[in-house]
Amino acid sequence: GQQLNQSPQSMFIQEGEDVSMNCTSSSIFNTWLWYKQDPGEGPVLLIALYKAGELTPNGRLTAQFGITRKDSFLNISASIPSDVGIYFCAGRPTGANSKLTFGKGITLSVRP
Amino acid sequence: EAGVTQSPTHLIKTRGQQATLRCSPISGHTSVYWYQQALGLGLQFLLWYDEGEERNRGNFPPRFSGRQFPNYSSELNVNALELEDSALYLCASSPLMASPLHFGNGTRLTVT
Repeated sequence: GQQLNQSPQSMFIQEGEDVSMNCTSSSIFNTWLWYKQDPGEGPVLLIALYKAGELTPNGRLTAQFGITRKDSFLNISASIPSDVGIYFCAGRPTGANSKLTFGKGITLSVRP
Repeated sequence: EAGVTQSPTHLIKTRGQQATLRCSPISGHTSVYWYQQALGLGLQFLLWYDEGEERNRGNFPPRFSGRQFPNYSSELNVNALELEDSALYLCASSPLMASPLHFGNGTRLTVT
C-alpha cells in the first residue's frame, strides 16, 4: 500500500525563523493535504492541494504540490510559539474509493 | 456550525472486553472515517463509510468493525480488546468522498 515519509521526526527552531517540511511518497497522489495537531485535539486542516505544481498560501504557511506528484512541501515563515505542534502530510491517489494516507508527522518545537 | 463530535472522550477497558466508540459528523457530511493514532505510529486508517456503506477498510483484524446510521453518525466497535489497542481513535467527516477530512478530538482508549 501507499506510504508517506516525513522526516525528521522532530524539529527545533528559534522563534522568527522559517522552517520547511517535506513529504514523499512511493506512489502518485492526486491530492495532498497538510494538517496540524495540537495536544489533546484532532488534526486541523491547514492547506489542501489538488494540482501538480500548485503553490497555495495560508497566512504564514505555504504548501506546494510537487511536479512529480510524489511529494509535497510545507513552509512556515517567521515562526511564532503557537506554531508548536505535530504537522502531518496526507495524500490520496486516484480511484473512487481511495483512502487518505497520513505520514507519521513532524513534531515542531519553537524556542522563544 | 458544530464540528465532528466523538464520545466518550476517554474509555478504560480491560483486555478481552469490547469497546464502542461513537461519532457524529458535521451536518451535511455523508462520509465518516475512523483512524487509530497510537504513539509514534501516526494516523492509521481503519474504516470509511459513505451513505451507510463501507467504502474502504484498513489493514486491521476483523475484530475492528463499525457501521454508519441513516443520520450519518457512526459507531466503531472493537471486540476482544488487546493491550496494543490502546490509542487515540479519531473520527473525521467530509461532505464528498474526495473532499478534505475534518476531524473530531478523538476518544482515548486505554486497555489494561
